[in-house]
Amino acid sequence: EVQLVESGGGLVQPGGSLRLSCAASGFTFSSYWMSWVRQAPGKGLEWVANIKQDGSEKYYVDSVKGRFTISRDNAKNSLYLQMNSLRAEDTAVYYCARGGVVVAATTPGDYWGQGTLVTVSS
Amino acid sequence: DIQMTQSPSSLSASVGDRVTITCRASQGIRNDLGWYQQKPGKAPKRLIYAASSLQSGVPSRFSGSGSGTEFTLTISSLQPEDFATYYCLQHNSYPFTFGPGTKVDIK
Repeated sequence: EVQLVESGGGLVQPGGSLRLSCAASGFTFSSYWMSWVRQAPGKGLEWVANIKQDGSEKYYVDSVKGRFTISRDNAKNSLYLQMNSLRAEDTAVYYCARGGVVVAATTPGDYWGQGTLVTVSS
Repeated sequence: DIQMTQSPSSLSASVGDRVTITCRASQGIRNDLGWYQQKPGKAPKRLIYAASSLQSGVPSRFSGSGSGTEFTLTISSLQPEDFATYYCLQHNSYPFTFGPGTKVDIK
C-alpha cells in the first residue's frame, strides 16, 4: 500500500526555520518525481516545489525561492522541505505528493500525504 | 507565470444533475492540465490528468476535455459523495499553478 506521511510541522516565529519530512512507503520512491503543495487556512491550493527522481532538477514557486529548499534521500525513502526566513503568509497545511507514472510525471499525482500544519506567528 | 481561472467559483446542484466546471489558462498549455477534488479536511485527489484521461479508480461519471486555453470538467450525474471543491492545475510551465477552485454544494 502506498503511503506518504508528513511530519515536522508546528508553530514557529517569523524569521524562523522548519524542516518538513515526508516518509514514503509501498512504492519505489526513487522512480518518481515528488512535490510539495500547500493550502493556507480557508484558501485554495498552491504548488510549492517539485524534485526529480535523482534530485538533479528542482523547481519552486516564486514566493519561496531563496527561502525554501526541496530535497530527497532515496536511500531513506524520504522527501524534505527546508523552510527558512518564514513569514506569516507561509502559514498553511503542507502536503507531499507523488508524481504520475509516465504522463504528467512531474505533477502531484494519485498519492498524497495527510498534510502537516505550519503556523508562523509571534 | 500562467494564470488559471475557474468558473463558476461555486455552484449549487442536486443529486443526479449534470455539472460542468470551466478552467481557463492565460496562455496555451496544450493538454498539460489536471483536475483535483478536495473534501473538507482531506488531501486533494486527482481525478483527471492530461486534460481528459481518467485517473485509475475514479468513477466514469467524471470526464475532462479541452486543449490550449479552455478546459472543462464534467460530472455526468452528481452523486452525494461528489460535493467538494474542484481545482485545475496547469503543469505546462513552471511555476505550476492551480485555479482558485469551484465549490460544489447541495441545492
